[in-house]
Amino acid sequence: EVQLLESGGGLVQPGGSLRLSCAASGFTFTNYAMSWVRQAPGKGLEWVSAIIGGATSTYYADSVRGRFTISRDNSKNTLYLQMNSLRAEDTAVYYCAKDVFGSGGPNYFDCWGQGTLVTVSS
Amino acid sequence: DIQMTQSPSSLSASVGDRVTITCRTSQSINSYLHWYQHKSGKAPKLLIYAASSLQSGVPSRFSGSGSGTDFTLTISSLQPEDFATYYCQQSYSKLTFGQGTRLEIK
Repeated sequence: EVQLLESGGGLVQPGGSLRLSCAASGFTFTNYAMSWVRQAPGKGLEWVSAIIGGATSTYYADSVRGRFTISRDNSKNTLYLQMNSLRAEDTAVYYCAKDVFGSGGPNYFDCWGQGTLVTVSS
Repeated sequence: DIQMTQSPSSLSASVGDRVTITCRTSQSINSYLHWYQHKSGKAPKLLIYAASSLQSGVPSRFSGSGSGTDFTLTISSLQPEDFATYYCQQSYSKLTFGQGTRLEIK
C-alpha cells in the first residue's frame, strides 16, 4: 500500500524557517516525481513545488521561488521542503503528493499524504 | 499563466441526484485536465485523469468529459460519501487548480 506521511509543521514567526519531511513507502520512490501542494485556511489547493525522481530538476510556484527549496533523499525514501523567509500568507496545510510520472514537469497525483499544518504568526 | 474557472462554487444536492461540475480554462489544454475529491481533514483523492479516464478503484458513477477549454465532471447518482469539495487541475503548462466546488447535502 502506498503511504505518504508528512511531518515538521508547526508555529513559526514571520521571517523564520521550517523544514517539512514526507516519508514514503509502498512504491519505488526513486521512480516517481513528487510535489508539495498546500491549502490555506478557507482556500483551495495550490501547487507549491515539484522534484523529479532522479532529483536533477526542480520546479516552483512563483509565490515561493527563491524562498522554498525542495529536495529528496532516495536512499531514505523521503521528500523535503525547506521553507525560509516565511510569511503569514504561507500559513496552510502542506501535502506531499506522488506524481504518476518520474520525470518532466509536474503532472497529476495518484497518492497524497494527510498533510501537516504550518502556521506563520507572531 | 492558465486561468481556471470552476462552476458552480457550491452546490446543494440530494442522494441519488445527477450532478455536473464544470471547469473552463483560459486557453486550450488539450486533455491535460484532472479531477480530485477532497474531504476536510483527509488526503485529496484522484478521480479522473486526462479529462475522461477513471482512476483505478473509483466508482463508475464518476465520469469526466471535454477537451480544449471546457471540461465536466459528472456524478451519475450521488451517494452519501460523495459530499466533498471537488477540484479540477491542469498540467498543460505549469500546474494550477480550479478554485473548487463544494458539494453539500440538500
